[in-house]
Amino acid sequence: DGGITQSPKYLFRKEGQNVTLSCEQNLNHDAMYWYRQDPGQGLRLIYYSQIVNDFQKGDIAEGYSVSREKKESFPLTVTSAQKNPTAFYLCASSNTASNQPQHFGDGTRLSIL
Amino acid sequence: QKEVEQDPGPLSVPEGAIVSLNCTYSNSAFQYFMWYRQYSRKGPELLMYTYSSGNKEDGRFTAQVDKSSKYISLFIRDSQPSDSATYLCAMSGGTGGFKTIFGAGTRLFVKA
Repeated sequence: DGGITQSPKYLFRKEGQNVTLSCEQNLNHDAMYWYRQDPGQGLRLIYYSQIVNDFQKGDIAEGYSVSREKKESFPLTVTSAQKNPTAFYLCASSNTASNQPQHFGDGTRLSIL
Repeated sequence: QKEVEQDPGPLSVPEGAIVSLNCTYSNSAFQYFMWYRQYSRKGPELLMYTYSSGNKEDGRFTAQVDKSSKYISLFIRDSQPSDSATYLCAMSGGTGGFKTIFGAGTRLFVKA
């Protein structure tokens, strides 16, 4: 089945630690995205990538980093500079041609120990 | 003013009721409109995808877009307990390009 796989489902971070969230897709989509979801707020865009080896900051990129070395993979690192990392993180992908809608993985819930 | 406004609810209805979910938006350039359903601890699942104004029907679901009023709706007929979820509206296109703007979601409870 084609889809987007996020791992792990739950993740705990200690103070001063960097953690990396995995996102893999087998939909052959060009574009991939990372969002943060907090209660009562819409999805906020962290980073996006339209093509391999290229990515752009979204609306709340501070304290986060990404890489796009393969079309299928778009890992997100939450660095120690992100002071409020507790949230539900969602990865999505889409075809950029003809404005196709985004499809989502099942998210990673990150909490602070 | 937020680009997309959506009543957070919660909205509670009896099984079998017709449900109406709505969003308003401010950017008249949006061209593509979507509704997603999100169950607890899961990612959003695409329900409906429409282009420009008009209606689109898929089973018990109908999406309506009124670009002149900057208003979109999702209707659910014969609602079921399994429809209990958070519904997110989303839109893209125009000057925003491919970037998608999401509403905060409306929480729906369908009581058996």
